[in-house]
Amino acid sequence: QTVVTQEPSFSVSPGGTVTLTCGLSSGSVSTNYYPSWYQQRPGQAPRTLFYNTNSRSSGVPDRFSGSILGNKAALTITGAQADDESDYYCVLFVDSGLVFGGGTTLTVL
Amino acid sequence: QITLKESGPTLVKPTQTLTLTCTFSGFSLVTRGVGVGWIRQPPGKALEWLALIHWNDDKRYSPSLKSRLTITKDTSKNQVVLKMTNMDPVDTATYYCAHSRLPFFLANWGQGTLVTVSS
Repeated sequence: QTVVTQEPSFSVSPGGTVTLTCGLSSGSVSTNYYPSWYQQRPGQAPRTLFYNTNSRSSGVPDRFSGSILGNKAALTITGAQADDESDYYCVLFVDSGLVFGGGTTLTVL
Repeated sequence: QITLKESGPTLVKPTQTLTLTCTFSGFSLVTRGVGVGWIRQPPGKALEWLALIHWNDDKRYSPSLKSRLTITKDTSKNQVVLKMTNMDPVDTATYYCAHSRLPFFLANWGQGTLVTVSS
């Protein structure tokens, strides 16, 4: 069964840059997996950030960007703000279904 | 404006079948490329994809739960129903439905509904 890997936690200073990654237990992530990214604040439903690797959803600030870095999908936050403190999930399209990563808890301090 | 709302029981007993309904507005499930998916999240844990139904009635299920899940749509009512059989306490979670679009992502989410499995 496909396992999508994410860093369990990350910390960034206000104004700093952080890159969260999304990999596969075996193999490389490419655009063919149509990676998407979701932000979830405590007690809230997820919010869509990116789809198709780097297509930004409506209303997402441009300090967020999506890409493929090496063999992983990546979500980069440039100029992190306190409001960015959330859980971030990546999703890959695998074998005609969706697979969520385990999520990354981002702390801004 | 696209909205989705999940409805169903808040408490089910072990071995029972859970039936959840997603009622949506702002899009049509007859439009090419559109779908509705179900995702769940146990308390304090990660999101997990369950099932997806497309505009053409193509249905996809999580491999690990496929034997327990059935997803159907009623385009006249703008509803999608998910059934999960043989519920167990480990199935306690917030269940979300979401509007999916090509290329294969979840574009809009419902608020979620907490389902507790307990005798």
